Amino acid sequence: GESVGLHLPTLSVQEGDNSIINCAYSNSASDYFIWYKQESGKGPQFIIDIRSNMDKRQGQRVTVLLNKTVKHLSLQIAATQPGDSAVYFCAENRNTGTASKLTFGTGTRLQVTL
Amino acid sequence: KAGVTQTPRYLIKTRGQQVTLSCSPISGHRSVSWYQQTPGQGLQFLFEYFSETQRNKGNFPGRFSGRQFSNSRSEMNVSTLELGDSALYLCASSPWTGATNEKLFFGSGTQLSVL
Repeated sequence: GESVGLHLPTLSVQEGDNSIINCAYSNSASDYFIWYKQESGKGPQFIIDIRSNMDKRQGQRVTVLLNKTVKHLSLQIAATQPGDSAVYFCAENRNTGTASKLTFGTGTRLQVTL
Repeated sequence: KAGVTQTPRYLIKTRGQQVTLSCSPISGHRSVSWYQQTPGQGLQFLFEYFSETQRNKGNFPGRFSGRQFSNSRSEMNVSTLELGDSALYLCASSPWTGATNEKLFFGSGTQLSVL
């Protein structure tokens, strides 16, 4: 079954507020995690990644937090904008020896209201 | 640099037919992966090719196959199409430096509808 899951299928956030998208994983051997953003009609676009030897990583307006104790990953988007409306996927690399095999979560749709 | 290019963008087929989808990776990228995306199952790994060899395979029936050419371009084929094969098929490429934190770059996908 699915071992990388998301708690909420849809998240509605007001413009300017912060968004938090959560993801749970079950394989403690996973050593690399990625967040992707998928807009309608497009393929997934890389947002930010984190290695398992880190707890936090920041990008432009985005932060990823990794809690290995509870196998939880989150994506925080600061000052959410209408352009952030999309489906967000977390993905994990289970260290199969092949970097490109990722296991994706089912996705969370982020809706930004004005 | 041009991104990952997938053709065709849309495809309509009927049950029992076969289909071939094409993917051109980012220039210099040697690894090409294919994923199936459906509303119910999300993104599922089909297979990965590197240097014209299938290096990894997901849990899909043998009706799903692929290949990679010497220029890294890849095709995937689905034979004896079923209604459940209707999905967005995504191709992704990566440079493959051997690191486990390689990023995948996705194309816009081919939307396949099986009637």
